[in-house]
Amino acid sequence: DAGITQSPRHKVTETGTPVTLRCHQTENHRYMYWYRQDPGHGLRLIHYSYGVKDTDKGEVSDGYSVSRSKTEDFLLTLESATSSQTSVYFCAISADRADYGYTFGSGTRLTVV
Amino acid sequence: QQQVKQSPQSLIVQKGGISIINCAYENTAFDYFPWYQQFPGKGPALLIAIRPDVSEKKEGRFTISFNKSAKQFSLHIMDSQPGDSATYFCAARRYGGSQGNLIFGKGTKLSVKP
Repeated sequence: DAGITQSPRHKVTETGTPVTLRCHQTENHRYMYWYRQDPGHGLRLIHYSYGVKDTDKGEVSDGYSVSRSKTEDFLLTLESATSSQTSVYFCAISADRADYGYTFGSGTRLTVV
Repeated sequence: QQQVKQSPQSLIVQKGGISIINCAYENTAFDYFPWYQQFPGKGPALLIAIRPDVSEKKEGRFTISFNKSAKQFSLHIMDSQPGDSATYFCAARRYGGSQGNLIFGKGTKLSVKP
């Protein structure tokens, strides 16, 4: 998707290992979000950021941490991956709180074995 | 109060037919209701959206109907085509809230048969 890149696209990791997913945007948007998508659960917000070093928790934040040291990068870290964190992770961006049209990245498929 | 309930989970429609997906919400503070379309292997993309001060919005073959008193809104896809086969998510947002973030329904997988 134009202006937003997620890496890696696919990852397999072992239980108990740390994992970091990266979201990079070139739109200079203030807001960035991390969602996970699971069958039967739709899209659930993990964490979001409203500026550099400004982050807050979403509805499913347990086991996840985030960091935003630059406007363009929003990192999601699984401190110690568990099988329940096997999912597809999407990053989204929006210009401001009145910008309702989130732009989503193409996703990262994470498998924890 | 934060939930958005979407139905059906899956839908099969013949080419040329009308696809209808429904959503219901509880929080009367929601003020923006978008629909997202997602193709396999891709991220969701904004399809169409409505605010509660109007009862209907149409863009091409896609129409949102909004019933504020019933706290329901629905997506209608007229003349459905195989290329419309995708997963559709409704969502809602409360502007100015502590988070102000989109809350999504669980999705509807639409298959349009040729």
